[in-house]
Amino acid sequence: DADVTQTPRNRITKTGKRIMLECSQTKGHDRMYWYRQDPGLGLRLIYYSFDVKDINKGEISDGYSVSRQAQAKFSLSLESAIPNQTALYFCATSDLPGTGGNTGELFFGEGSRLTVL
Amino acid sequence: RKEVEQDPGPFNVPEGATVAFNCTYSNSASQSFFWYRQDCRKEPKLLMSVYSSGNEDGRFTAQLNRASQYISLLIRDSKLSDSATYLCVVNPYSTGKLIFGQGTTLQVKP
Repeated sequence: DADVTQTPRNRITKTGKRIMLECSQTKGHDRMYWYRQDPGLGLRLIYYSFDVKDINKGEISDGYSVSRQAQAKFSLSLESAIPNQTALYFCATSDLPGTGGNTGELFFGEGSRLTVL
Repeated sequence: RKEVEQDPGPFNVPEGATVAFNCTYSNSASQSFFWYRQDCRKEPKLLMSVYSSGNEDGRFTAQLNRASQYISLLIRDSKLSDSATYLCVVNPYSTGKLIFGQGTTLQVKP
């Protein structure tokens, strides 16, 4: 089983619909992230969370919200999907850098491909 | 200026060639650096961390130049299987979040 699991893996939806992408991890990491990837733009950070009570906006948070339900779960919501939110979404986790030799390496889920028509 | 910049390429090289990628970063407080590899439509995976003293893993060598704020990745004896997008990632401890470059695409041809 994957250490970082994303559901759904693929989703096609219509403009205006509410969509939730879920992420769960078994690595025991405190830090979780949501990125989106668009061709030619690399990965851009949407939201991140350093523990259950911590939520931070990334560089492109408009139109998105998140919920950190537990250490292992971090979900991303699109309240009213629009076509330019069509992208590949990645959830990732990391440990606290600098502790126990950790460097803050990211571990990714397999991605959720979202298409908004 | 982007926080992390890479030449997107594509770099088209023959098998056996040596190829180098550079990546510049703007936050001088950055402490951790990585190269990730991403195959088409797959998740990025760690290729190697980049240490101040430089490090080597088989055909791959990573270097860090703090004074000029860039990191590099050298691939020797390129294989067809090296074809992928290589992502430069910087972890500035002051912000705590990892920043990605846009990636450099490598295509190794027979």
